This record gives sequence, C-alpha cells and structure tokens, in this order.
Amino acid sequence: NAGVTQTPKFRVLKTGQSMTLLCAQDMNHEYMYWYRQDPGMGLRLIHYSVGEGTTAKGEVPDGYNVSRLKKQNFLLGLESAAPSQTSVYFCASSRGGPNTEAFFGQGTRLTVV
Amino acid sequence: DQQVKQNSPSLSVQEGRISILNCDYTNSMFDYFLWYKKYPAEGPTFLISISSIKDKNEDGRFTVFLNKSAKHLSLHIVPSQPGDSAVYFCAASALYSGGTSYGKLTFGQGTILTVHP
Repeated sequence: NAGVTQTPKFRVLKTGQSMTLLCAQDMNHEYMYWYRQDPGMGLRLIHYSVGEGTTAKGEVPDGYNVSRLKKQNFLLGLESAAPSQTSVYFCASSRGGPNTEAFFGQGTRLTVV
Repeated sequence: DQQVKQNSPSLSVQEGRISILNCDYTNSMFDYFLWYKKYPAEGPTFLISISSIKDKNEDGRFTVFLNKSAKHLSLHIVPSQPGDSAVYFCAASALYSGGTSYGKLTFGQGTILTVHP
C-alpha cells in the first residue's frame, strides 16, 4: 500500500525556471494539501483541495499554483522559481470532515539557486 | 499570526524518564488536536489525537492532555526511549471557521526531542 507518493524526491532549479511537483494518493481521500517546511517555521500550508476540481489558498500561496484534475492527484506548480522557495515540500491527504488525521508523503527537497 | 505555537525548539531527556512537549493555540474555534512525529528525510507520521470534548487521550506510552480554558495541550511520553528522538509537531483543526478551515490542519513550529541512552 503506497499511501501518499511524491515525485520527485530531490530537485535543483535555477532562478526563473518552472517545475511541477506531483502528489498521488491511493486512499480515496477527498482532501489534499501542500505544505512547506522551513527551519523554525514548522509546516506551513501553501494550497489545499477539498475535492476533485477544487483548490483553495493556504497561509503562503504566493508564487505557487495547484491543480486537482483527478481525485487521486494534486499538482503543485512553480512558474518562476525564486531562492525563497528553497524548502522541503510535503503533500498530505485526509478523508476530510471532523476528527480526521492527514497522511503525509516522504517530501520533496527543492533547492533554487 | 501563528495560531499554533510550540515555544520550546528542543528538549533533551534521559532514557526511561518522562518527556513533556507543550503546545499553545490562539484560535478558540479549533476543536481537534493532533501530534505528529517526524524523522529526518521522512514525512510526518500521525501519533495521537484528541477531540475538544475530552481532556485526555492515552495510547500506550503516549498521552495527550488538553486544557481548553488555557488553550494548551501537551504530549507526555513515558518512559522515553532513544527511538523517540524526532521532531514533534502539534497540529489543530476547526470544525467550522467561516467555512474555510473545515478539516484543514494548522501546525506549530515543532520541537526536537532527543532521548539520551
């Protein structure tokens, strides 16, 4: 059972380049999330989705876009990468609704030079 | 505006002793609280949770206490083991907050726990 799978695991980008991070879950979860983790900042929510075809902004959405065309996939895009986007990115999914926990992927370490 | 705060960046404990990790929150709409554990180079994994209708939840060596009036929760690990060394994140969610926070998890900054043999 794969759970939540993130692709790629590592990536180095040059400033101004674009890329897409892919998240796939096989638990038939309604909710999906993208977080970034930075030292001393914890996990900050970038964007999330409460169902196929829906997206919403989290705490730190600027510079990112997302799409949820299929229930099992949640894509995070960086149109023009900046050094401030160097971080570890985590995707998560949950059943949604009250009293539910989220399950996380293994993370993507992105460096923008 | 940090709605969930873990004010201790790190905690060091001797094996066999109790570890107490603390978390404070400001949003009175939060009604479900969770603790996650994270090892290096891995994603966070769910550890234990508590609903706002309870003040204590226990699972083996792990107990979470919730003090709603103080907007404070804590995680107790007894006895602590070297394998417990990890980053611990506190998280909270609101059943309803203008309709935008349903099921959404807000995390604290994390506390690095080190358990010495």
